[in-house]
Amino acid sequence: GENVEQHPSTLSVQEGDSAVIKCTYSDSASNYFPWYKQELGKGPQLIIDIRSNVGEKKDQRIAVTLNKTAKHFSLHITETQPEDSAVYFCAASKGAGNKLTFGGGTRVLVKP
Amino acid sequence: DAGITQSPRHKVTETGTPVTLRCHQTENHRYMYWYRQDPGHGLRLIHYSYGVKDTDKGEVSDGYSVSRSKTEDFLLTLESATSSQTSVYFCAISEGGGYGYTFGSGTRLTVV
Repeated sequence: GENVEQHPSTLSVQEGDSAVIKCTYSDSASNYFPWYKQELGKGPQLIIDIRSNVGEKKDQRIAVTLNKTAKHFSLHITETQPEDSAVYFCAASKGAGNKLTFGGGTRVLVKP
Repeated sequence: DAGITQSPRHKVTETGTPVTLRCHQTENHRYMYWYRQDPGHGLRLIHYSYGVKDTDKGEVSDGYSVSRSKTEDFLLTLESATSSQTSVYFCAISEGGGYGYTFGSGTRLTVV
């Protein structure tokens, strides 16, 4: 089955700096790659996603890039703010049923 | 999250007792999922449903069963709870392939 690896497991950045989280996937048939943000005591929340026919997608300070050849995708957060502190998960899926396989998560801490 | 609720939010139970967790949605989504979240393991799929009475196993299904008799309800049962099933359980819903999940707020289960 699909395997998704996520790095780093923890990331500490200064407020205003950029944060980058990287994920690799194993199944070349995967075609949908969402990112989730989980705040303490809450369920994960979808923040951005990308499909395999697109190389990059942006939404305000958040962007995701996809390299299908290398089978990796990345989340970029610019101008980080304290409220960006959370655990971020990448995921991958293919086809109907949309079973997502998640990476292990990255704990991001934005220091004021 | 609006449209999906989990109950109970917290539960402490004794080893060997049966436990049922409930997920209720008001979005009329076809797909429903149960994940468990443990430190160091991210989110792992237990079972999922692609319609009423249509369910299938995920990667960590041993010791768990599910039922979906109505579109809106997806029940997760631990037949005989063990300490290894102490975890945070998340339900999620989806419209289908190529769409992200909406997660519930989670159930923290402690087996003593």
